[in-house]
Amino acid sequence: DTEVTQTPKHLVMGMTNKKSLKCEQHMGHRAMYWYKQKAKKPPELMFVYSYEKLSINESVPSRFSPECPNSSLLNLHLHALQPEDSALYLCASSHRISGGYEQYFGPGTRLTVT
Amino acid sequence: ILNVEQSPQSLHVQEGDSTNFTCSFPSSNFYALHWYRWETAKSPEALFVMTLNGDEKKKGQISATLNTKEGYSYLYIKGSQPEDSATYLCASQQPVFGNEKLTFGTGTRLTIIP
Repeated sequence: DTEVTQTPKHLVMGMTNKKSLKCEQHMGHRAMYWYKQKAKKPPELMFVYSYEKLSINESVPSRFSPECPNSSLLNLHLHALQPEDSALYLCASSHRISGGYEQYFGPGTRLTVT
Repeated sequence: ILNVEQSPQSLHVQEGDSTNFTCSFPSSNFYALHWYRWETAKSPEALFVMTLNGDEKKKGQISATLNTKEGYSYLYIKGSQPEDSATYLCASQQPVFGNEKLTFGTGTRLTIIP
């Protein structure tokens, strides 16, 4: 299984809602990532988890709260978002290969904040 | 701040023609260069991870070269097919506290005209 899955595919939420994005991989990868991508912009790193511990937070606002319950799962909890947070949220996992790392991406969750 | 630039932003190529595009990145503190292919509504798919200056990698009709001294990589597609239509992303990898961080370019959107 070389797949990263993400649910839901699409999410519409109001600014007062609380919702969660889910990401799952069963490749035994010990590093997992959240990226945010706005239209016509490159994916931007938000968080990195390594061995289920948060290792990088790219100064992301606290209305985004990541969680790694186990080595296969990564969640992103959303609360009090703003319309400008509407974007494609990509999850990835990685493993070491000769000369570097290889990242596998999920298809993303398209989030719209109204 | 690491800037990864890709050109052109978009490209239309006749089926059967060959094409190439460029990724440029800061050559200082270089670790690895990644190429991804991203079809609409699908997950970004890893094509190549390159680390050595002068490296050349090939996958089917797609190949890539790397110049770490001057900070650029070329992606070549020989004999384009409609299924090659996608956005091609490059990303520069940097080690950050034992984890890797990818900084992406904005991508080259390739459309193959049948």
